This record gives sequence, C-alpha cells and structure tokens, in this order.
Amino acid sequence: AQKITQTQPGMFVQEKEAVTLDCTYDTSDQSYGLFWYKQPSSGEMIFLIYQGSYDEQNATEGRYSLNFQKARKSANLVISASQLGDSAMYFCAMREGFKEAAGNKLTFGGGTRVLVKP
Amino acid sequence: KAGVTQTPRYLIKTRGQQVTLSCSPISGHRSVSWYQQTPGQGLQFLFEYFSETQRNKGNFPGRFSGRQFSNSRSEMNVSTLELGDSALYLCASSLGFHAGGSYNEQFFGPGTRLTVL
Repeated sequence: AQKITQTQPGMFVQEKEAVTLDCTYDTSDQSYGLFWYKQPSSGEMIFLIYQGSYDEQNATEGRYSLNFQKARKSANLVISASQLGDSAMYFCAMREGFKEAAGNKLTFGGGTRVLVKP
Repeated sequence: KAGVTQTPRYLIKTRGQQVTLSCSPISGHRSVSWYQQTPGQGLQFLFEYFSETQRNKGNFPGRFSGRQFSNSRSEMNVSTLELGDSALYLCASSLGFHAGGSYNEQFFGPGTRLTVL
C-alpha cells in the first residue's frame, strides 16, 4: 500500500491566489514527521515546512501552512498568495519513528506539479 | 555556510559499466542519505550513512552500494549499469540526530543526473 499519496498530478493556479495540495499518509507509528519539499526544474529539493505527529498546532512558514488532520491522516499544504516562482513540483514526505536507529529515511509521495499563471 | 555539493552533475555511461557518485555534506553534518528519482518510480530511498556506518537501507539490489568517509563525505557506487538506472540521484545531509526536539532537517544537494545508454 502507498504510504504517501498525492492525488493531484498537476494543478494550475492564478497568481496571487491560494492553492491547496493534498497529501494523505499511512503509518502505524505513533511518532512520525511530515515534510513538504519543493523541486524546481533545476532538480534541487527545497524544504518548505514540517509537522510532527505530536504537534498540536498546524505548522506555518511564511506563505506556507500545513493543514494537519491526524485522524484523517492528511497533511495538506496551503500556499497563499501564489507567485510565478512557486511553479514547481511539490512533494509530501514522511519519516516514521523518532528513534535514532530509525535514521532519516524519507518516504515520498508521487508529487504534484503546480503551474502559476500570470 | 556552503550547501550540499554533488559531483559530477551530469554523467553518461553505457550498460555494464560502473559509476561512482560523490556527495559532500554541509560542514558539521554526520548523516548522508541517498535517493533515486525516476519518472516511473518517483523518489526512492537508497541508503543512509551516519558516522561512517550504514544506518538504513532501501530496497535496491546489491549493485547499489555506498560508503562514508571520516570527513562525512559519501560516495555511492552502481556496478553493472542497466538502462533502468538512468535517474537523478540526490543526496541529503543532516546532523543525523535529534537535537533538543529538532526534527533534524535534511538539506538536499542539486543531484547527479545519470544517463545509461
């Protein structure tokens, strides 16, 4: 079964509007972390935002916010006031377990391509 | 602070050859993870090295191997290349441990794009 599912392969968004990217996950761990990364055409993965499974408040970082619904196992990314530079692939990822031995393995979703229209 | 560097950035090889990719982590980081990105399989975890020891391994054949040196620089090697090994190989560095509740952010390099002909 897919551990991270991103159901939107691609989206268009008008400049200055908000966009929500969906992410659902599957894990039996109680401790886990959820990440969103941006990948421009250059290929480098850029960290956007993090949500821990025990965090009670939704994470926010500038124009990025994470709508975390633990019971539904969803962690949607909201980008407010879209800019042309936001055009990129966006990946949701999960790290299961917080023990040192678990290491840093990230499991990624398939990604959503966002194109911002002027 | 310098970011994660990967060399070479582009590589073309033929089937059956072997290849070595290099990753230099951010200064002070002790963990290096490797990922393979292909259009068909997406981003997949290869392995992670922490303090010169492999800490975690993904589901890849034994043709894929890696190592980490005492300065935390890491190399990955792919032997007997196959067409399906064509991919963007990304490495990510992090402190490697959870400091004071930190989620231990991973910083990615620009990747090495490998083409196998």
